[in-house]
Amino acid sequence: ETVLTQSPGTLSLSPGERATLSCRASQSVISNNLAWYQQKPGQAPRLLISGASSRATGIPDRFSGSGSGTDFTLTISRLEPEDFAVYYCQQYGSSPGTFGQGTQVEIK
Amino acid sequence: QVQLQESGPRLVKPSGTLSLTCAVSGGSFSSSNWWNWVRQSPGKGLEWIGEINHSGSTNYNPSLKSRVTISVDKSKNQFSLILSSVIAADTAVYYCAREADSSGWGAFDIWGQGTMVIVSS
Repeated sequence: ETVLTQSPGTLSLSPGERATLSCRASQSVISNNLAWYQQKPGQAPRLLISGASSRATGIPDRFSGSGSGTDFTLTISRLEPEDFAVYYCQQYGSSPGTFGQGTQVEIK
Repeated sequence: QVQLQESGPRLVKPSGTLSLTCAVSGGSFSSSNWWNWVRQSPGKGLEWIGEINHSGSTNYNPSLKSRVTISVDKSKNQFSLILSSVIAADTAVYYCAREADSSGWGAFDIWGQGTMVIVSS
């Protein structure tokens, strides 16, 4: 199975700053079928990005995804107070689909 | 607006059977989507369990395949998860989720709120 490694584990930033989250796959992600999710305490994950770079419906354009092959990035251009949460990447190009361990974005 | 809601016992005894149902509302269950179960535990993070489509075709995570059955009841607009021979490590929040792409290779665009299941005697 494809192992996804996210870095850093925790990102401490202030509102208005730029956040850059990394997701590295143990093998190439087929068709760049890579998604990013946001999760807040007590809530289900929320889809932000699919296909490595396509924003889901209703997701603000401050969220952007990039990358291909084994290296992917989620960028939040200017952090809003509601963006402080845990972010997960997921590959769904090969079975079984797998998730990264998450990056927590916390208020500095 | 499609919504998903998990239901089922919150406490299961070791070696017993975990049984959950996901009710689909606000949309047609007979669409071409795939419907998934995902769990989240502190020890293993998010883990995909398996999926089913409206025709009853299934795919399972090999790590759980010997213990998992996912079924669908189109008349009730719901699908179900059965996990047998549970152990403490099966304690987790269980989510049902819809796959966005009808091909079977899609991200999960709609999630239930999740239900915590504890395996304990």
